[in-house]
Amino acid sequence: QSVLTQPPSVSAAPGQTVTISCSGSSSTIGNNYVSWYQQLPGTAPKLLIFDNDQRPSGISDRFSGSKSGTSATLAITGLHPGDEADYYCGTWGGSPSPWVFGGGTKLTVV
Amino acid sequence: DVQLEQSGAEVKKPGESLKISCKGSGYSFSTSWIGWVRQMPGKGLQWMGIIFPADSETRYNPSFQGQATILVDRSISTAYLQLSSLKASDSAMYYCASTTTNRWPDNFHLWGQGTMVTVSP
Repeated sequence: QSVLTQPPSVSAAPGQTVTISCSGSSSTIGNNYVSWYQQLPGTAPKLLIFDNDQRPSGISDRFSGSKSGTSATLAITGLHPGDEADYYCGTWGGSPSPWVFGGGTKLTVV
Repeated sequence: DVQLEQSGAEVKKPGESLKISCKGSGYSFSTSWIGWVRQMPGKGLQWMGIIFPADSETRYNPSFQGQATILVDRSISTAYLQLSSLKASDSAMYYCASTTTNRWPDNFHLWGQGTMVTVSP
């Protein structure tokens, strides 16, 4: 049971927009930056969004992040079949565990 | 290239120990935090702990403290994860990941390709 709550799965059609939520608390998301990671099938995770809403170099602007209070959201526009992956949020967890990941959300593009 | 290169897959028996490695290149290894993440089959990511190579300061997830040890050899830009008294439930993919900064906490900008560990009689 993760301290960051994500929906287990989401789905949408190609070309549509999907949002993935990440719910925490004042000691996690509420007072810290959130990052998002994409894990394509059979590969290592990759940083998608950092510091709530920043994209690393090379990440498409179809991916965006936001934070409000104790929740964060990842939005993906113009969905491609290649976006099918597991998505994880992460943030500072304070004590006792300095870093925490959400449970992950499986995105299906149908 | 900026990358983390992990050692190959391991097969161990219950009760044994193992040490897997992660070599960084193309960035300032010594002044960047580098950590380890476990992913059990079909499950999510679990942060295990992290080390700052410049002074070997280490932080652990309490769930892994006592069974996992994170080490570093700055001279060869390599971090290690040592697991003792292995159980079948330690079978998982283990990833190293670096913040590529001297800030902690920070985001994991760079990931290794993963090392698969199988513990089986």
